[in-house]
Amino acid sequence: DTAVSQTPKYLVTQMGNDKSIKCEQNLGHDTMYWYKQDSKKFLKIMFSYNNKELIINETVPNRFSPKSPDKAHLNLHINSLELGDSAVYFCASSHRTGTQYFGPGTRLLVL
Amino acid sequence: SQQGEEDPQALSIQEGENATMNCSYKTSINNLQWYRQNSGRGLVHLILIRSNEREKHSGRLRVTLDTSKKSSSLLITASRAADTASYFCATDGGSSYKLIFGSGTRLLVRP
Repeated sequence: DTAVSQTPKYLVTQMGNDKSIKCEQNLGHDTMYWYKQDSKKFLKIMFSYNNKELIINETVPNRFSPKSPDKAHLNLHINSLELGDSAVYFCASSHRTGTQYFGPGTRLLVL
Repeated sequence: SQQGEEDPQALSIQEGENATMNCSYKTSINNLQWYRQNSGRGLVHLILIRSNEREKHSGRLRVTLDTSKKSSSLLITASRAADTASYFCATDGGSSYKLIFGSGTRLLVRP
């Protein structure tokens, strides 16, 4: 019954590796987002997709590539992981530009 | 940076007291939202106030918005230990498809 789910919840990996985080929403929303929360708890938008189309890319390095296979899914693939990528990544969804509903977060630690 | 500021950064009160948090932002907005984040968890939407509204209530929450001062406040009345969390304001920055978050206020409600 989870509205917005993310997997995995925790991700520990070595520098240079490639990893993916998956997000799914069952709310019937047409817009999905990825946010990054750093160690100081600042939350910043990374990407937003509307009807599977990229709407916002907030100067995120090319190593980050979102993919939306359908309106209910927005996955995040990260190439060549760096130490500075360690953070909590949140997926969210909304109907158009309404209230955003957040997933539980994926805690990424790059060693 | 578009990041908003919240004040205070941390607040410690006794159960039953009221808690007031303030948020300032930098750009014009269509709406402002408040979210709560419990430690290690995702964000939960609390309330949305539109730019043409000055005050809004939801249960023990009262939100005010002053667009001339680009500021908002969140009042939690009769606080409970379960209200202990971080509280974030978020604006749409006058644009769609993203939220710009404030720096957050960490609230501790002592039993």
